Amino acid sequence: GDSVTQMEGPVTLSEEAFLTINCTYTATGYPSLFWYVQYPGEGLQLLLKATKADDKGSNKGFEATYRKETTSFHLEKGSVQVSDSAVYFCALSGRNFNKFYFGSGTKLNVKP
Amino acid sequence: DAMVIQNPRYQVTQFGKPVTLSCSQTLNHNVMYWYQQKSSQAPKLLFHYYDKDFNNEADTPDNFQSRRPNTSFCFLDIRSPGLGDAAMYLCATSRGDRELTETQYFGPGTRLLVL
Repeated sequence: GDSVTQMEGPVTLSEEAFLTINCTYTATGYPSLFWYVQYPGEGLQLLLKATKADDKGSNKGFEATYRKETTSFHLEKGSVQVSDSAVYFCALSGRNFNKFYFGSGTKLNVKP
Repeated sequence: DAMVIQNPRYQVTQFGKPVTLSCSQTLNHNVMYWYQQKSSQAPKLLFHYYDKDFNNEADTPDNFQSRRPNTSFCFLDIRSPGLGDAAMYLCATSRGDRELTETQYFGPGTRLLVL
């Protein structure tokens, strides 16, 4: 069945460091891929998405490229800020349009 | 701004006392979802409504029920909350256009505490 695997956290970085959070997926067909961010005590906010192979989603300095050949959708940011500290979830939407498959989440801590 | 609203943000109930959580949306989306999220875990889908059609996940306990009286509102009823039901409950919506990518939009969540 469809699934998403994320790198385990927590990830701790200093401000202005480069961020990569790995995400790989298993799916039949051509899923859509998403990154959501969850700040403490809040709901999930859509960060970016990509709907087909080689698409690059981007928002607020974050980027992720849909790589069908490696079934990956890694999240990157060139220079993280303290305010980026949150939990990041990778997700896919596959054949069943109304079902999301979430990764386990990766907590990011950014220190000043 | 169009949005998904959940009230209250924090809810305290007693063991075994029925509780209802509310969700409303101004996005005019066809689909509304309820998720349960426990600490440090991914959200777990409980059920969803596609318009008036209710779709329950196979592993959702009978203790959890839902109502959708109209397009804008959806309720989560927990008939007899146990200590294990303490969690964040997230409501989400999506357009319901099966031809296109379904992006889900989440509310801020209601944190439920069971005493």
